[in-house]
Amino acid sequence: GENVEQHPSTLSVQEGDSAVIKCTYSDSASNYFPWYKQELGKRPQLIIDIRSNVGEKKDQRIAVTLNKTAKHFSLHITETQPEDSAVYFCAARFLGKLSFGAGTTVTVRA
Amino acid sequence: NAGVTQTPKFQVLKTGQSMTLQCAQDMNHNSMYWYRQDPGMGLRLIYYSASEGTTDKGEVPNGYNVSRLNKREFSLRLESAAPSQTSVYFCAGRVEIYQPQHFGDGTRLSIL
Repeated sequence: GENVEQHPSTLSVQEGDSAVIKCTYSDSASNYFPWYKQELGKRPQLIIDIRSNVGEKKDQRIAVTLNKTAKHFSLHITETQPEDSAVYFCAARFLGKLSFGAGTTVTVRA
Repeated sequence: NAGVTQTPKFQVLKTGQSMTLQCAQDMNHNSMYWYRQDPGMGLRLIYYSASEGTTDKGEVPNGYNVSRLNKREFSLRLESAAPSQTSVYFCAGRVEIYQPQHFGDGTRLSIL
């Protein structure tokens, strides 16, 4: 099955700075890569996703990049705000099933 | 439009008891999924149903069974609960292959 590794496990940034989370996956046949944000005690919610035929996607302060050759993808959050504090999960879909990374706890310091 | 609804939200069981976690969706999801979430381990797939009438094992199926009762409902059953099954359980659904999964609010299950 697919194996997704996510780094770092925790990330503390100053408000206004950028945050970058990186994930690697094992199966080159994976074709869809979503990112979820989960606030404490809440459900995971999709924030951005990318298909394997696209190298980069941006939505306001959030962007995702995909390098299929290296089998890694990254989440970039610019101009971080206190409400960006949460746990972020990357995932890769292989044979219709999502495999998730272990999560990154992001803390934005005011 | 309630989305994905899970019941109950909280439950405490004794070792050996059985229980069924319910999930219902009104988003026309073809595929439905059950995950468990444990600290530091992300979300792990227990079982899934690619379409009505089909179910398949995920990464951690041992100790669980599922039923896709109809297109709307997908239940998860613990036949004989064990402390290792203490976790937060999430149900999710997806309409088509390149559309994202939508999650329910979760069921927090403690087994003593």
